[in-house]
Amino acid sequence: DGGITQSPKYLFRKEGQNVTLSCEQNLNHDAMYWYRQDPGQGLRLIYYSQIVNDFQKGDIAEGYSVSREKKESFPLTVTSAQKNPTAFYLCASSPAGGSGNEQYFGPGTRLTVT
Amino acid sequence: AQKVTQAQTEISVVEKEDVTLDCVYETRDTTYYLFWYKQPPSGELVFLIRRNSFDEQNEISGRYSWNFQKSTSSFNFTITASQVVDSAVYFCALSASHTGGFKTIFGAGTRLFVKA
Repeated sequence: DGGITQSPKYLFRKEGQNVTLSCEQNLNHDAMYWYRQDPGQGLRLIYYSQIVNDFQKGDIAEGYSVSREKKESFPLTVTSAQKNPTAFYLCASSPAGGSGNEQYFGPGTRLTVT
Repeated sequence: AQKVTQAQTEISVVEKEDVTLDCVYETRDTTYYLFWYKQPPSGELVFLIRRNSFDEQNEISGRYSWNFQKSTSSFNFTITASQVVDSAVYFCALSASHTGGFKTIFGAGTRLFVKA
């Protein structure tokens, strides 16, 4: 089955530690995205990538980093510089980065930092 | 600036009632796309519909229907004869060419509770 995989579903870390969230897609999509969702709020874009080896900052990129070494993979690292990292993180992909394409989402990773 | 407003934070209905979720958007672009997504308790957003700015025709898909009105910058979503399985958070989203085409702006979402 084609889709997006995010692992793990729940992640717990101590403050000051970097943590990497996994996102894999087998839809052969060019574009991939990372969003952050906080309670009662919409999705906010962290980073996006239109093509392998290229990515751009979204609206809230500070304290996060990404890589896009393979088409199917777009891992997100939450660094210790992120002041409020506890949130629900959603990865998405679309066939291309054009504005007319819907996005396909993974099941999300809920990160808790204490 | 691009903006999506979903003024209804939460809506609660009884099963079989009809319910309309409001979405108002702002954009200066003439070419743009509007979307609705559903987020069930599992957390994964599911795409429901896409509309481009040149197509104001309303759409119906089973119990779901969408009313797109450029004159009022609205893209409202109606569920007819709601069911418990419709309980979820629904997001309206806007994607416009001005943004480079690679960023989609989401509203804050409307949480729908359908009680049996």
